[in-house]
Amino acid sequence: HSALTQPASVSGSPGQSITISCTGTSSDIGLHKYVSWYRQHPGRSPQLIIYDVSYRPSGISYRFSASKSGNTASLTISGLQAEDEADYYCSSFSATSTFRRRPSSWGPDTEGPTFVVFGGGTRLTVL
Amino acid sequence: EVSLVESGGGLVKPGGSLRLSCATSGFTLTTYHMNWVRQAPGKGLEWVASISGSSDRIHYADSVRGRFSISRFNARNSVFLQMDSLRVEDTAIYYCARDVYDNVLTASYQFDSWGQGTLVTVSS
Repeated sequence: HSALTQPASVSGSPGQSITISCTGTSSDIGLHKYVSWYRQHPGRSPQLIIYDVSYRPSGISYRFSASKSGNTASLTISGLQAEDEADYYCSSFSATSTFRRRPSSWGPDTEGPTFVVFGGGTRLTVL
Repeated sequence: EVSLVESGGGLVKPGGSLRLSCATSGFTLTTYHMNWVRQAPGKGLEWVASISGSSDRIHYADSVRGRFSISRFNARNSVFLQMDSLRVEDTAIYYCARDVYDNVLTASYQFDSWGQGTLVTVSS
């Protein structure tokens, strides 16, 4: 299954706002509320910054906001700061799976949606 | 404070096996779906596997199904990933990740806590 589509890079000056798009299909972003965004600084683990399309976890700045329309989700960062320079990934629950009957050797039930998709990532540069 | 610490990575030859561990603390593991997510060098994120709190629902990415096995031992606050028949393309940093919701019935596949990752290198 194809990954979600994000621009490879975006840039902005300190204090400006930028928006990163994430395009999927009617089986993932277009269908589900479980759309999330992650920030990853070089050499660090990913960090959840948005979940359920537009909710910020505790501790995430109000400068981060997100939404979706149809099959496209968007992340907006306002008041850009140097610390925002990082890679950003979108993700969505996906319904494009088939019911898989479980061979007895495979163990517990594997019925239902079997994967989540990520975007390819967007490198944000703060000029 | 929530903590996830992976271990078990290393260098292995194609066709070999590794068992990754994720030690958790700071939360009640039983109520959370847990996942493994990997990232190949210089590449993006790829979900690998998930397991429900009671281990009755397990899902795998197509790329690893039949070769990898996820499990958990709640009493010891641990999650595992057994990786068999490893391929060069399995080379990646493997992260243990917790679902954002403490819902024993449903996973959202949104990950609010991540470990530091453990590097798996498959090479001859």
